[in-house]
Amino acid sequence: SQQGEEDPQALSIQEGENATMNCSYKTSINNLQWYRQNSGRGLVHLILIRSNEREKHSGRLRVTLDTSKKSSSLLITASRAADTASYFCATDAWDNYGQNFVFGPGTRLSVLP
Amino acid sequence: IAGITQAPTSQILAAGRRMTLRCTQDMRHNAMYWYRQDLGLGLRLIHYSNTAGTTGKGEVPDGYSVSRANTDDFPLTLASAVPSQTSVYFCASSDGSGNEQFFGPGTRLTVL
Repeated sequence: SQQGEEDPQALSIQEGENATMNCSYKTSINNLQWYRQNSGRGLVHLILIRSNEREKHSGRLRVTLDTSKKSSSLLITASRAADTASYFCATDAWDNYGQNFVFGPGTRLSVLP
Repeated sequence: IAGITQAPTSQILAAGRRMTLRCTQDMRHNAMYWYRQDLGLGLRLIHYSNTAGTTGKGEVPDGYSVSRANTDDFPLTLASAVPSQTSVYFCASSDGSGNEQFFGPGTRLTVL
């Protein structure tokens, strides 16, 4: 089963509004990452937050991590039409072969002009 | 080349045929990954390699094999393609230790 699960599945907002997406996971992690994907393209890394961090900022992005609730949120402030994309969280896990990542199904964000 | 490349861009394949998807990176990253992306399911990890000479199974490895003979290349092989393997395949690399992954542009594969 997938480690990360985002909600909502889809979000539609007006330009200038803030967008919040959530991610929940099931097991202990080393870090959690957020990625963005424009339609038909590869994923682009946005931000990484480690398990010992609670909040991180990058430009208009703010990520929080609550390891007690096994959840993270991505906030995009003052959204723009160009922010329209799918957003994915990814968590890491270790097994006998090393480290690998599990992505959630994503949140489709539409920012209307 | 700069970054990570995949070939072919797209392919239509008859069921039962063998197919190898190619992935090459020039960033000297230790770790490489293969994912498939299906509508509504996000990305699912097929196989990964944390360093040349080692590979590991991801969430959906059945029907796929990989090799990592050197740092730069990480081919994914479908020994006998089936229609359920119709998907978009993404290759990614990272310098390990849970750092960000860099994704290729993807290969759209259709198995008829």
